[in-house]
Amino acid sequence: DGGITQSPKYLFRKEGQNVTLSCEQNLNHDAMYWYRQDPGQGLRLIYYSQIVNDFQKGDIAEGYSVSREKKESFPLTVTSAQKNPTAFYLCASSRLVGEQYFGPGTRLTVT
Amino acid sequence: DQQVKQNSPSLSVQEGRISILNCDYTNSMFDYFLWYKKYPAEGPTFLISISSIKDKNEDGRFTVFLNKSAKHLSLHIVPSQPGDSAVYFCAASGGETSGSRLTFGEGTQLTVNP
Repeated sequence: DGGITQSPKYLFRKEGQNVTLSCEQNLNHDAMYWYRQDPGQGLRLIYYSQIVNDFQKGDIAEGYSVSREKKESFPLTVTSAQKNPTAFYLCASSRLVGEQYFGPGTRLTVT
Repeated sequence: DQQVKQNSPSLSVQEGRISILNCDYTNSMFDYFLWYKKYPAEGPTFLISISSIKDKNEDGRFTVFLNKSAKHLSLHIVPSQPGDSAVYFCAASGGETSGSRLTFGEGTQLTVNP
């Protein structure tokens, strides 16, 4: 049963702490992505990776970091430098061309 | 610079009628367009796509129309059902270096009333 998993579904952190969101896919997709969605807004691209050990900044990369050590995994770290970290985070994967498939999302709340 | 725009934040239609969701783009390098459906607190699900070599693609109740000269696409849902109530995003990709990277619009909240 192929798909994308994100964990946890809900995450709470104190301001000033780094937090890492997990994203795993077993679709054998080369490309993976991280988006952020804020209320009433569309999806904004944070980082993406089209091959292992390589990734590119998206439109809102400041305050975030990623790694791509394995094809299946693309974790996102929200650092303390991110000014407004509370949001709904979505991970997606795709072949090098074509539609992206999304995970269920992680709601991060920072207080 | 918003390259993909959905100018209607919301749309309300009666069950059984047609829903028409619109999307405009500015980047002439875009050559592949997609529609996604999203329920609250869930990830978007892919609905339908269209390549720039076509002007129409149909899948069941869903049809996407592309007008390249106007840089406009639309999603038609016929007949609309209450379960179609969700946020709909259009997205686009294209250009030499974009690969599979997508640019999303802001979304349109569709409400289908019984």
